[in-house]
Amino acid sequence: DTAVSQTPKYLVTQMGNDKSIKCEQNLGHDTMYWYKQDSKKFLKIMFSYNNKELIINETVPNRFSPKSPDKAHLNLHINSLELGDSAVYFCASSLRQGETDTQYFGPGTRLTVL
Amino acid sequence: GNSVTQMEGPVTLSEEAFLTINCTYTATGYPSLFWYVQYPGEGLQLLLKATKADDKGSNKGFEATYRKETTSFHLEKGSVQVSDSAVYFCALWGSGGGADGLTFGKGTHLIIQP
Repeated sequence: DTAVSQTPKYLVTQMGNDKSIKCEQNLGHDTMYWYKQDSKKFLKIMFSYNNKELIINETVPNRFSPKSPDKAHLNLHINSLELGDSAVYFCASSLRQGETDTQYFGPGTRLTVL
Repeated sequence: GNSVTQMEGPVTLSEEAFLTINCTYTATGYPSLFWYVQYPGEGLQLLLKATKADDKGSNKGFEATYRKETTSFHLEKGSVQVSDSAVYFCALWGSGGGADGLTFGKGTHLIIQP
């Protein structure tokens, strides 16, 4: 069974559209994250979500909004997509929000904005 | 703020060669340190970690020692294989613009030739 899964794997869309990426973890973890990997492979944290507490990286535009219907899911909604949003988005989870906890990553969603 | 610097690739080696990928960090206190590996088309997987100074993390023949005096966490392997070809990310746990999570280096693309 896949520990952290994301759908879709690929997403191609036009500028200005609104899209969502889904993430589910079956590990029973308390904390989930979203990361963005740009074209140069540079990874940057966007959000961490722990026990209904959302912590946002201040550099993330408010067009991005994570939504968690339950502990096992953290979906990413993006409004008014821009060319610069093209990237690979990774969801991750960890047992707790602690620095010694291993993060488990999903396979990624490659978003292409035309 | 926190930052991780690692040698940028690609690094090309022959099979059975000795591998070193340098990683240094800047952070307050003594954060936990990690190496993650990303195989082509896949998400990131934890390779090894160290949570305090002088700890050595090891896995699959890879090793890295947490050196607080030089703020380094260099990755080494005595004899690489073609299957080790991947992108390797050094990371530390810390705050990224307010969101607690992993701060990554830019990744080192490793290519092993038979």
